[in-house]
Amino acid sequence: RKEVEQDPGPFNVPEGATVAFNCTYSNSASQSFFWYRQDCRKEPKLLMSVYSSGNEDGRFTAQLNRASQYISLLIRDSKLSDSATYLCVVNGGSQGNLIFGKGTKLSVKP
Amino acid sequence: ETGVTQSPTHLIKTRGQQVTLRCSSQSGHNTVSWYQQALGQGPQFIFQYYREEENGRGNFPPRFSGLQFPNYSSELNVNALELDDSALYLCASSFGRDYEQYFGPGTRLTVT
Repeated sequence: RKEVEQDPGPFNVPEGATVAFNCTYSNSASQSFFWYRQDCRKEPKLLMSVYSSGNEDGRFTAQLNRASQYISLLIRDSKLSDSATYLCVVNGGSQGNLIFGKGTKLSVKP
Repeated sequence: ETGVTQSPTHLIKTRGQQVTLRCSSQSGHNTVSWYQQALGQGPQFIFQYYREEENGRGNFPPRFSGLQFPNYSSELNVNALELDDSALYLCASSFGRDYEQYFGPGTRLTVT
């Protein structure tokens, strides 16, 4: 089983749509969880940290299920500017490194 | 912008050569992590430096080495370059080992 698995997509959605990304991780000792977005040929940018209680930032909602080792990201009212690759990221434990999924590509069309 | 800077932006090297990449961390951050991102893949952890000491290392051979300086800036050195070393090299800084990491713009290395 890969350490962090994501559906690679691509997800092609119209503006205004709601889209959900899912991710699973294998290391039950992981303590920190994040979603990053990466535009083509650019660096990953932190979108949001993911907390056990779930958290929301405007149109973005992240959920964590530790029992199922599952993380999700929901984007409501998609904008053209949301088009990017979304990376599910988990900390690697004692080393403090981040383990990235391969990313899910999102294209929002007019 | 994150305040993390990297140099150079692009680099072309020949197989067998050596390369040094540089990273300046965000003000107040004492931890720098280095990642390699091949095309179509997520970033892969190379190593992390915390207060000038290597804190952890990923599955990369010893020809990948690094340093962190007293001002918390960092270098990544790669010896005996191979074609497969062609990738985007990213550095990320954070307040500490378990905190959110912020990435620089990366150095795109091409080995011919």
